[in-house]
Amino acid sequence: SQQGEEDPQALSIQEGENATMNCSYKTSINNLQWYRQNSGRGLVHLILIRSNEREKHSGRLRVTLDTSKKSSSLLITASRAADTASYFCATGGSNYKLTFGKGTLLTVNP
Amino acid sequence: DGGITQSPKYLFRKEGQNVTLSCEQNLNHDAMYWYRQDPGQGLRLIYYSQIVNDFQKGDIAEGYSVSREKKESFPLTVTSAQKNPTAFYLCATREIGELFFGEGSRLTVL
Repeated sequence: SQQGEEDPQALSIQEGENATMNCSYKTSINNLQWYRQNSGRGLVHLILIRSNEREKHSGRLRVTLDTSKKSSSLLITASRAADTASYFCATGGSNYKLTFGKGTLLTVNP
Repeated sequence: DGGITQSPKYLFRKEGQNVTLSCEQNLNHDAMYWYRQDPGQGLRLIYYSQIVNDFQKGDIAEGYSVSREKKESFPLTVTSAQKNPTAFYLCATREIGELFFGEGSRLTVL
């Protein structure tokens, strides 16, 4: 079963604009992570936010977590063509399992 | 270089044949995972192993088998019982919550 669901499924923006992707989940979590995948490649970890955190920053990335709404958002500021990729949220519970959503395909046009 | 090596990168199989995908890591991580990704979809967990000589079924284990005889290796066998094996297979290790992925193996059944 896939717990995290990203929204939108696809997003197309111009270079320099901000991109916001959302993730909703169903059950309680210990942490939520965001990953990036370039076409045909493996996933790369971007950021992890714990259930007791509300916001986290890493470079041009800003992640928020609202456990009462069971949702998270990933903001990429001042986007670049190189940010073009699929972005996935993954939720972790009390065991070793991470559950991924279907992803948001971000296209940044030069 | 430290990392995760998956092989082969591309594999073609005739129906009814078993095939084994290799995953080797030199990151010294205890936990290892196999995920399956279908076009436009997220990742679905096949099997995971928290420690040598131990592994657990994920959400879609039917038609697959694994072994974990060494810390560095976690091979996945796709058996003839798997009804729709054509997919992109990703191996990962885990440390302190974060997953590290290989570059994937693309299996096509002819």
